[in-house]
Amino acid sequence: ETGVTQSPTHLIKTRGQQVTLRCSSQSGHNTVSWYQQALGQGPQFIFQYYREEENGRGNFPPRFSGLQFPNYSSELNVNALELDDSALYLCASSSGRRDSGNTIYFGEGSWLTVV
Amino acid sequence: AQKVTQAQTEISVVEKEDVTLDCVYETRDTTYYLFWYKQPPSGELVFLIRRNSFDEQNEISGRYSWNFQKSTSSFNFTITASQVVDSAVYFCALSEARVKGGGSNYKLTFGKGTLLTVNP
Repeated sequence: ETGVTQSPTHLIKTRGQQVTLRCSSQSGHNTVSWYQQALGQGPQFIFQYYREEENGRGNFPPRFSGLQFPNYSSELNVNALELDDSALYLCASSSGRRDSGNTIYFGEGSWLTVV
Repeated sequence: AQKVTQAQTEISVVEKEDVTLDCVYETRDTTYYLFWYKQPPSGELVFLIRRNSFDEQNEISGRYSWNFQKSTSSFNFTITASQVVDSAVYFCALSEARVKGGGSNYKLTFGKGTLLTVNP
C-alpha cells in the first residue's frame, strides 16, 4: 500500500462530456503528478502540482486541467472528452524534499472509457 | 529530450529460471534518477528501485538485482529464480529535473514496458 488513493476506480463517459478524477496523496507529500497510460503503453506525464500551483506540464492540451487543495489532494479535469482519452489515469505523490530519496509513489489509477 | 527504451515487449519463462529485463536510456542531464516499477493487472505501479546517476554500484534485493552501466546508458533488471507471482508488466523510468518550483520535483519518462509471464 502506497497511501495514494484515487477515485473513481472505473468510469464510462460519452464523447464530449467532462470528467473529474480525484487523488489523495500520501501523508506528508506536497507534490502530486498525474499520468495517462494508454493500453499497451508506458505512462505519460500530464502535469504536476506543488503546493497548490502547477509545477510542470507535459504535452497535453489545455482541456486537461487540474487543481491541488490545501491538504495536497488533487483533481484532474478533462473537458470535451475524446475517444483517445480512454486510458488509465495514474496519480503519483512525492515529498518534494531533496532528502526524500525522490521516490514517487503511485495510486491504483482510474480506468476511464470514453464511448 | 529524455527517452527510455525497453526493447523486450514480452518475455515468457518457466518458474525458477533467471530473467533479465533490459533498459536503455537517453538524457543530456548530468544528474538524473532511474527507476523500475512493477505493474500487476490491477494497474498500480509498485516502486522497486531508484538509482541516482552518481551511484553505479549494482544493487541486490532478495531475488532482484540491478546492473547500472553509465557507459552504455543501461539499467538492467534481473530476477533470479523467477516465480509465478513475478508475472507483471515492468517499467523502467528516467526522471528529469526540468519542472520549476521548490524541492526536488521531478517528472518521470517511462519506457513502453516489458510483459513478463512466468509459467509454472
